[in-house]
Amino acid sequence: QAGLTQPPSVSKGLRQTATLTCTGNSNNVGNQGAAWLQQHQGHPPKLLSYRNNSRPSGISERFSASRSGNTASLTITGLQPEDEADYYCSAWDSSLSGVVFGGGTKLTVL
Amino acid sequence: QLQLQESGPGLVKPSETLSLTCTVSGDSISRSNYYWGWIRKPPGKGLEWIGSIYYSGHTYYNPSLKSRVTISIDTSKIQFSLKLNSVTAADTAMYYCARDLGSGSNYAFDIWGQGTMVTVSS
Repeated sequence: QAGLTQPPSVSKGLRQTATLTCTGNSNNVGNQGAAWLQQHQGHPPKLLSYRNNSRPSGISERFSASRSGNTASLTITGLQPEDEADYYCSAWDSSLSGVVFGGGTKLTVL
Repeated sequence: QLQLQESGPGLVKPSETLSLTCTVSGDSISRSNYYWGWIRKPPGKGLEWIGSIYYSGHTYYNPSLKSRVTISIDTSKIQFSLKLNSVTAADTAMYYCARDLGSGSNYAFDIWGQGTMVTVSS
């Protein structure tokens, strides 16, 4: 099943801003946008954003999502050590009639 | 507070059937607008959606797994289950159950179980 494309790794400094990308096509990201999840080692994923930029209760405003065409982005401002994690995007794919995930981006906070 | 908990065997033999159950507590599994899904994460790899089910029993599956997958929901509406048949080593993964927000919310998964590791080996 075709997935979404994410860069394998991103490194940024403490208190800097990181922008993670997720590229799909007009059947998925370009159609309904993407959701973003954070996963720390040994823990289940946590939903950060959905419906383009809705945040579940308790998610910091430092996390914001956007979309341009077939690419979704997650911007994390004021990077903290606890932001070091794997980040996944997901979207509904109308051509597959199913959910597709990106391969994940490992964010390192230097 | 809604909680999900996976349960099932941690070791399955090749060619046999993997069976897992997700128990939902803290809210009704019959609440409308939500689906309930299964997602897995093989070691060293990313997340893969397996399939989701509505409380009415309507299901939708990952096309690449559809021929081997069955997701069901029990009549008391507090559990939903996954069966994956003819397993191979490639099915070794951490298996998660999660609440699926459905069509109005990108089919995003907002509440997750802790996950259960399943190894396929003889």
